Amino acid sequence: SQQGEEDPQALSIQEGENATMNCSYKTSINNLQWYRQNSGRGLVHLILIRSNEREKHSGRLRVTLDTSKKSSSLLITASRAADTASYFCATEYAGNNRKLIWGLGTSLAVNP
Amino acid sequence: DAGITQSPRHKVTETGTPVTLRCHQTENHRYMYWYRQDPGHGLRLIHYSYGVKDTDKGEVSDGYSVSRSKTEDFLLTLESATSSQTSVYFCAISENRDRAYGYTFGSGTRLTVV
Repeated sequence: SQQGEEDPQALSIQEGENATMNCSYKTSINNLQWYRQNSGRGLVHLILIRSNEREKHSGRLRVTLDTSKKSSSLLITASRAADTASYFCATEYAGNNRKLIWGLGTSLAVNP
Repeated sequence: DAGITQSPRHKVTETGTPVTLRCHQTENHRYMYWYRQDPGHGLRLIHYSYGVKDTDKGEVSDGYSVSRSKTEDFLLTLESATSSQTSVYFCAISENRDRAYGYTFGSGTRLTVV
């Protein structure tokens, strides 16, 4: 399978704590994207990081990319109950078709 | 979601019947995509479009067809619905091929084939 793989599959934390989830992939990429999906809703784009970038920030989100390890991490700081959702990484593979491959997601529960 | 709507939101249909799902965007984006989401499989691309009347197959296109006669509308048709096509279907749009800003997704259509 060419899927990116997120870990952990599920994560439960208390409000105010930080949440870290990881994504690994298999071949060279153009970029890697993180999305959030609330239950019963569509996916919402969070951050895109290009292959030549190592770190990006957006509000309480921090994404890192290590192309030598073919992995990325998403850190959510000072989590809130509203952050409860599934988080997906999607990798755009380098090559002619620039296919976007989705992972199976990490389910995050932030407890009040 | 703002700028992209899917219809219907829910549908139950019988095996063997044709079904058409609609995706409508107001963003004038060139690229439109149809995905299905199933437990254990993640998102899988069915078909995509890179312009009016320009479409191509994704990884799970068998049993599906698409049409795009206007920039704003992308239709997905299940030619003869089967139980294996029970799924949640998402439409997505992107502004350019570089996808520098990621995709914008619709809210999904939950399809049940009985």
